[in-house]
Amino acid sequence: DAGVTQSPTHLIKTRGQQVTLRCSPKSGHDTVSWYQQALGQGPQFIFQYYEEEERQRGNFPDRFSGHQFPNYSSELNVNALLLGDSALYLCASSLIFDAGPSTDTQYFGPGTRLTVL
Amino acid sequence: AQSVTQPDIHITVSEGASLELRCNYSYGATPYLFWYVQSPGQGLQLLLKYFSGDTLVQGIKGFEAEFKRSQSSFNLRKPSVHWSDAAEYFCAVAPGGGADGLTFGKGTHLIIQP
Repeated sequence: DAGVTQSPTHLIKTRGQQVTLRCSPKSGHDTVSWYQQALGQGPQFIFQYYEEEERQRGNFPDRFSGHQFPNYSSELNVNALLLGDSALYLCASSLIFDAGPSTDTQYFGPGTRLTVL
Repeated sequence: AQSVTQPDIHITVSEGASLELRCNYSYGATPYLFWYVQSPGQGLQLLLKYFSGDTLVQGIKGFEAEFKRSQSSFNLRKPSVHWSDAAEYFCAVAPGGGADGLTFGKGTHLIIQP
């Protein structure tokens, strides 16, 4: 059973560029959340997608956008990159209506390390 | 809005000694509470969670946590640590359910002394 996968592992961009990160959820999951983790900090919630719609959003500017595909995979797009966008970007998947032991649990991928120069 | 405070940035414990990591949350009602562990260069792994019921919850790797409503705390404990427990530990809260966006603390870095 494959867990949450993310690509690429590492990415280097320059200020002003745009970047797309990808996430495949754990098998059977229908919800994908994205988090930004700056160095030495806890993860911060960016947004969550369910049924191809943004379900929840944290306190991030519109430069951060996303998409969910019919197979539940997801992309995170960041436009007009700033130096402060350098971070580990984590994807987490969950099942909205799970009556089993995994209910209300998010499973995290290994992350994509983004460096903005 | 909810918030999580982990007062200890670093904790050093000798191998075999007991461990307690502190977590305090701010939220009007009883939230969903989680502890995650992150090893260097890795994603987050769930150790345990509390939703309701018994206030002492057991998790993986011998960890447990106790929810204390009166203190708004959810401290993580382990009776005897192993060198492999060295990692970053994060407490997190979700107000409406664990599938909602999580609010994390800043983490506690655990160092194990031989």
